[in-house]
Amino acid sequence: DAGVIQSPRHEVTEMGQEVTLRCKPISGHNSLFWYRQTMMRGLELLIYFNNNVPIDDSGMPEDRFSAKMPNASFSTLKIQPSEPRDSAVYFCASSPGRSNQPQHFGDGTRLSIL
Amino acid sequence: SQQGEEDPQALSIQEGENATMNCSYKTSINNLQWYRQNSGRGLVHLILIRSNEREKHSGRLRVTLDTSKKSSSLLITASRAADTASYFCATDAAGANNLFFGTGTRLTVIP
Repeated sequence: DAGVIQSPRHEVTEMGQEVTLRCKPISGHNSLFWYRQTMMRGLELLIYFNNNVPIDDSGMPEDRFSAKMPNASFSTLKIQPSEPRDSAVYFCASSPGRSNQPQHFGDGTRLSIL
Repeated sequence: SQQGEEDPQALSIQEGENATMNCSYKTSINNLQWYRQNSGRGLVHLILIRSNEREKHSGRLRVTLDTSKKSSSLLITASRAADTASYFCATDAAGANNLFFGTGTRLTVIP
């Protein structure tokens, strides 16, 4: 079975550029989560969706960050304009959407902003 | 913050020894989960324990939960070099399906 698929795996770009991260959740999962992981702050929840609807975006750091889920099989996290402090590993995870269910993580996108 | 904290931050043991990691959290929970993360990979779910359970086993893993102390422990018995990874606890928010992850314990098992 295919797990959560993220692309690209690595992204290096200059500050000020737009960055788009992509995620394909596991088929049939109703919840999708975007996380950011850094050494300093650990794993932070940025936003999550239930049935394609954003439920909690309080973790989105600034207006430069936006996320969309146009359908059940695709989500994007966009940063515009990017800054060096956005450098981190960004993970997408999905779950069946019921309480007591584990989350399934992709292998992340390692983002470096120069 | 509902974020949990793992203790110790790092642990180094010899292969064959047992490894114990602890997690403390701040608010009431419905369940607590443990995840593992290998270097350069995403987190992988290991085990879930509900708030009305005190102990749970899965293979070489044993998890305990003490809701009165708001703490949990993960025991890995007969450790192997392949167990080298970071381990995270995660708690849920009552009524929601998002999780709050702890800061992680980095386990190194020396062959």
